[in-house]
Amino acid sequence: KAGVTQTPRYLIKTRGQQVTLSCSPISGHRSVSWYQQTPGQGLQFLFEYFSETQRNKGNFPGRFSGRQFSNSRSEMNVSTLELGDSALYLCASSAAYEQYFGPGTRLTVT
Amino acid sequence: GDSVTQMEGPVTLSEEAFLTINCTYTATGYPSLFWYVQYPGEGLQLLLKATKADDKGSNKGFEATYRKETTSFHLEKGSVQVSDSAVYFCALSETGTGNQFYFGTGTSLTVIP
Repeated sequence: KAGVTQTPRYLIKTRGQQVTLSCSPISGHRSVSWYQQTPGQGLQFLFEYFSETQRNKGNFPGRFSGRQFSNSRSEMNVSTLELGDSALYLCASSAAYEQYFGPGTRLTVT
Repeated sequence: GDSVTQMEGPVTLSEEAFLTINCTYTATGYPSLFWYVQYPGEGLQLLLKATKADDKGSNKGFEATYRKETTSFHLEKGSVQVSDSAVYFCALSETGTGNQFYFGTGTSLTVIP
């Protein structure tokens, strides 16, 4: 089975812009979770989608949003980018109780 | 709420040394416990798991035992290699909360020849 894929792998954006990241889960997995990883804060949970519905949400501002499509692919969007949004964004897909992570998208905000 | 507390790093060991990375958890129910490993520039990979008390997860020479009485899931390896250099994350997931995972802060391990 193909693993979790994330696109793009690297992004450079300017403050105030918005960005959309994409995640394709493992075939058959209906749950997709998103995490932000930074050196200072570690791994922080953003949200989880299951069957196109947001099922869990972390403590992030409304600038961070996501959605899931009927084929389980998911996107997350960050609007009005801030310097502090520079991070590695990880997507994980799940079946049962295990999570499988993608390689991440490295976002740099200048 | 649920949480995971992990041993602070960084940890530096010589090749063939014994490794222990401590992990304790707080959970309201009966969680499943995991260790993930992250190599430089990559995402997290599942290293091992345990789903109930007294279960032992093992993989690639790493082991961890689910201890309910001490709420712990310490990672051990008898003889580390340079290739084990990575960041290790302890995590838990409770049934009934969807797939929300709680991760520790990560422990960076460097193994020197």
